[in-house]
Formats: sequence, structure tokens, C-alpha cells
Amino acid sequence: GENVEQHPSTLSVQEGDSAVIKCTYSDSASNYFPWYKQELGKRPQLIIDIRSNVGEKKDQRIAVTLNKTAKHFSLHITETQPEDSAVYFCAAIRVGGGATNKLIFGTGTLLAVQP
Amino acid sequence: DGGITQSPKYLFRKEGQNVTLSCEQNLNHDAMYWYRQDPGQGLRLIYYSQIVNDFQKGDIAEGYSVSREKKESFPLTVTSAQKNPTAFYLCASSIGLAGGYNEQFFGPGTRLTVL
Repeated sequence: GENVEQHPSTLSVQEGDSAVIKCTYSDSASNYFPWYKQELGKRPQLIIDIRSNVGEKKDQRIAVTLNKTAKHFSLHITETQPEDSAVYFCAAIRVGGGATNKLIFGTGTLLAVQP
Repeated sequence: DGGITQSPKYLFRKEGQNVTLSCEQNLNHDAMYWYRQDPGQGLRLIYYSQIVNDFQKGDIAEGYSVSREKKESFPLTVTSAQKNPTAFYLCASSIGLAGGYNEQFFGPGTRLTVL
């Protein structure tokens, strides 16, 4: 079945450094890739997403890149701050053409930004 | 944080008992989802519903049941047949299949503990 692998499971960086989280998906028909941030004890919230017709998308300090050929996509956070500390989930989904609209989530990355 | 609510926030259950988790949304969304979150395993889909009076099993439906009698409500029952029910349960909603690429909005979650 569909699967999304996410690495690393934990990531510790110093404040101001960059952080990169990588995901690989199995269903080549996936065409939408959202990233969710979940702070401790809170609900997951969408922080950025990318569609399969785009290779890169940026929103202030966060960016996402997509390599459809390799079925890889990555989250990049620059100039990290302590408030970036959270669990980050990648996800993949095939939208349209009779798709079921089921999100397949990665296993999450716990990011710790050390002040 | 409004729009999708879950109750209760914490729930304790004795072995052998059924328990129902509530999920309500006032976003006029067609689609609703139930996820289970365990440490190190990300979010796993239990059941989902694309429209009122219709729902489908997700990846880990055994031991769970749902109903979708109203657009706003999607309760989840954890039955005694669920072997390891202690977990954090998240409900989500989205516009649905007609919305194309669309965000899933999550509720605050219910933490279920079996005593």
C-alpha cells in the first residue's frame, strides 16, 4: 500500500542554524504534499504545502522542495528559533481522478532548537 | 482554535468497556477523519467519511466503529475488541473531494487511557 518514510526521527540544532527534514513517498500518483507542525500537547497545523506541478515553494523561513522523479520532498527551515521546536509531519495524497482524498502521513520528526 | 472540537480531552476506560469520542465541526466540511497517534508511528487513519451517511475503513479500523448521521458530527466508538486502545485520538475535517487540494483541519484531540 501507500507509504511515506520520514527522516530523521529526531533533530537537534542550535538556534540560528538550518534544519532539513526529508520524506519519500511510494505512490507515484501522489500530487499534493502538505507539512504539518504539532507543538507539544496541541493539534497538528498546516505550515506549508506543495503541488506536484511545482518544484519549490517558500514562505518566509520555511521552504519545501519536491523531486517527482525520485519521489522525494523536503522541508527546509532557516534561521531556526526556539519556537520552531515541535514535531513535524510530512504527508502525501493523490487528489482528483477518483482518488479517496486519504492523507498518508510520515512518522514525524521531533525538532529541538537549542537556544 | 475554533471550528472543530473534540470531547472529552482526557478519557479513562476500564478494560472490556466501549467508549465513544465526540467530534463536531461547524466549518460546513463534507469530509471528516479519525486518526490515532502513537509515539514514533505518526498519524494512522482509522475511519473517514466523505459525505453524510457514508464512511470507509482506514488502515487500522479493527475494534472501532463510527457513524455519520449529521454533517457536523462524526463520533468514534472504541470497542472492547480493540486490543490496545490507549492512544491520542485526533479528528479532522476538510472541504472534501469537491474541493480539490484542500487542507485537513484537526481538532484538539482526546487522550484515551485504558486502566
